[in-house]
Amino acid sequence: DIVMTQSPDSLAVSLGERATINCKSSQTVLSSSNNKNHLAWYQQKPGQPPKLLIYWASTRESGVPDRFSGSGSGADFTLTISTLQAEDVAVYYCQQYYNSPGTFGQGTKVEIK
Amino acid sequence: EVQLVQSGTEVKKPGESLNISCKCSGYNFATYWIGWVRQKPGKGLEWLGIFYPGDSDSAYGPSFEGQVTISADMSITTAYLQWSSLKASDTAMYYCARLEDWDSYFDSWGQGTLVTVSS
Repeated sequence: DIVMTQSPDSLAVSLGERATINCKSSQTVLSSSNNKNHLAWYQQKPGQPPKLLIYWASTRESGVPDRFSGSGSGADFTLTISTLQAEDVAVYYCQQYYNSPGTFGQGTKVEIK
Repeated sequence: EVQLVQSGTEVKKPGESLNISCKCSGYNFATYWIGWVRQKPGKGLEWLGIFYPGDSDSAYGPSFEGQVTISADMSITTAYLQWSSLKASDTAMYYCARLEDWDSYFDSWGQGTLVTVSS
């Protein structure tokens, strides 16, 4: 299985400041067949199911605010929240869907400082 | 509008069987995969398995192979997750979610079904 490792496990950011979450995979998730990174980011607020934010490493899902952005390629990826809002408090997960099983990172909890 | 509506909370004893459901609507059920994701209390997300209603193809995570069965009834556009003999360690929230292909992301999620297994 591909192992996904996120850092940090948690972070506290002031409102309006930038939050950065990293995700490393144990092997590349860049497909040579479609030249796309099979990497998604999800947001999970307390008591709610996960919500898709980003897919193909950098494509924002419809309706997701543009303060959320994804970057990276191969085995190193980043989710950036450019200006943190109170409603962004949540746990964020990366997931690779290059191989089955589509493994998740352990999650990063984002709080307000 | 795509909707995945899951069955309600379950409380079971070890050794009992269980079937939880995921009613899907708003899209062509036969042409999308359905996946299940486990979340133990206070823990992260685990990819349990996926199923393609169009031809009944499936794939399971190594930890779940032989422990659960995923199926679907196309006539009522509903997917199922089944256990024949529950363990206390199966206590978790279970989410169903839709995928466009076997190697794809989960784009729509159910609200979750809480399963508690306790003697």
